[in-house]
Amino acid sequence: DGGITQSPKYLFRKEGQNVTLSCEQNLNHDAMYWYRQDPGQGLRLIYYSQIVNDFQKGDIAEGYSVSREKKESFPLTVTSAQKNPTAFYLCASTTVPGVLGPGYTFGSGTRLTVV
Amino acid sequence: GDSVTQMEGPVTLSEEAFLTINCTYTATGYPSLFWYVQYPGEGLQLLLKATKADDKGSNKGFEATYRKETTSFHLEKGSVQVSDSAVYFCALKVANFGNEKLTFGTGTRLTIIP
Repeated sequence: DGGITQSPKYLFRKEGQNVTLSCEQNLNHDAMYWYRQDPGQGLRLIYYSQIVNDFQKGDIAEGYSVSREKKESFPLTVTSAQKNPTAFYLCASTTVPGVLGPGYTFGSGTRLTVV
Repeated sequence: GDSVTQMEGPVTLSEEAFLTINCTYTATGYPSLFWYVQYPGEGLQLLLKATKADDKGSNKGFEATYRKETTSFHLEKGSVQVSDSAVYFCALKVANFGNEKLTFGTGTRLTIIP
């Protein structure tokens, strides 16, 4: 079955460490997105990529980095510069163009906790 | 910029009650509108969508009508069940090639009690 796989489901990070969250999709979608979810704040866009080897900053990109070397993969690195990384991270994808139709397909998320 | 405003939760209803979750939006272009649902510990699932004015999206007994005159997309269900307990997100997407992204509301937590 096609879908988006995020791993790991739970991740613990020590202060000062970088960690990388994996996102893989087999839907042949062009565009991929990373969102951060905090209680009471909904979803905020971190980074997105419309095509391979290109990506754009979202609303809260500081302290994060991404790469898009393959169409299927869009890993997110949470760097030590991110001062408050504890959150639930969601990856999503969609076709482009899909301007007036498709919504996004979401992964099941990674919960990151700083210890 | 584009934004979505949802009614604040949490919302608690008895089983078989009527549900309305309000959603209004502002958009720089002509948006498509969506409702997503998130069950505990999971990602978001598309519940329904509408792409033009007066369209009605529907799924699993839920409905929402795209009202351009009031810039609204309220979610309704005639008789809720315990299994409907989840967080509901209203979202919009504006046509903009090369810069297309979903903008979400803050979410409304719904709890249905037997």
